[in-house]
Amino acid sequence: QKEVEQNSGPLSVPEGAIASLNCTYSDRGSQSFFWYRQYSGKSPELIMSIYSNGDKEDGRFTAQLNKASQYVSLLIRDSQPSDSATYLCAAGGATNKLIFGTGTLLAVQP
Amino acid sequence: DGGITQSPKYLFRKEGQNVTLSCEQNLNHDAMYWYRQDPGQGLRLIYYSQIVNDFQKGDIAEGYSVSREKKESFPLTVTSAQKNPTAFYLCASSMGGRVYEQYFGPGTRLTVT
Repeated sequence: QKEVEQNSGPLSVPEGAIASLNCTYSDRGSQSFFWYRQYSGKSPELIMSIYSNGDKEDGRFTAQLNKASQYVSLLIRDSQPSDSATYLCAAGGATNKLIFGTGTLLAVQP
Repeated sequence: DGGITQSPKYLFRKEGQNVTLSCEQNLNHDAMYWYRQDPGQGLRLIYYSQIVNDFQKGDIAEGYSVSREKKESFPLTVTSAQKNPTAFYLCASSMGGRVYEQYFGPGTRLTVT
């Protein structure tokens, strides 16, 4: 069974701090990795994709991938209350199918 | 405005009735997907289609059916055979090929009583 694991949280960080969200995956054949943000009652929004080992930065967001450890992370710098949401990690293989984790709830405290 | 639309936003049905959820995209994407999300659970793939007139079962296809007669449209029918149909249904699309980013519509919240 191919799985993507995330800590459900809640992860609570003060405003302005760095939020660190983590994800592990079981399928070594996974080639593509994504982070989605989902506000309560809304649909997921793609915020980051990463395909290669290392870091990828986009504004306040940095995705990190370590294929040897089968580990993906998302760092959010200067966290804002508007970042409070559930963050879903997803992994894809050779097909166009994605496997999603259950999400980590992030709460940014003003 | 390019995007994915799903209608209706909320849907209520009686047990034993079939219901069809609409999904339309004007992104010129080849691939389309249907997911189901239940509280505390991740997204589970119901059906997906990588090209017109072709679709494959996902992990939880039982009790659901789909069609893909047009590139822009991928409707999902929830049949009376689906034992627990109450859920948040999400449609997504991607360019296909080796481009894997999926983009989601706003979702349809189905309640069956």
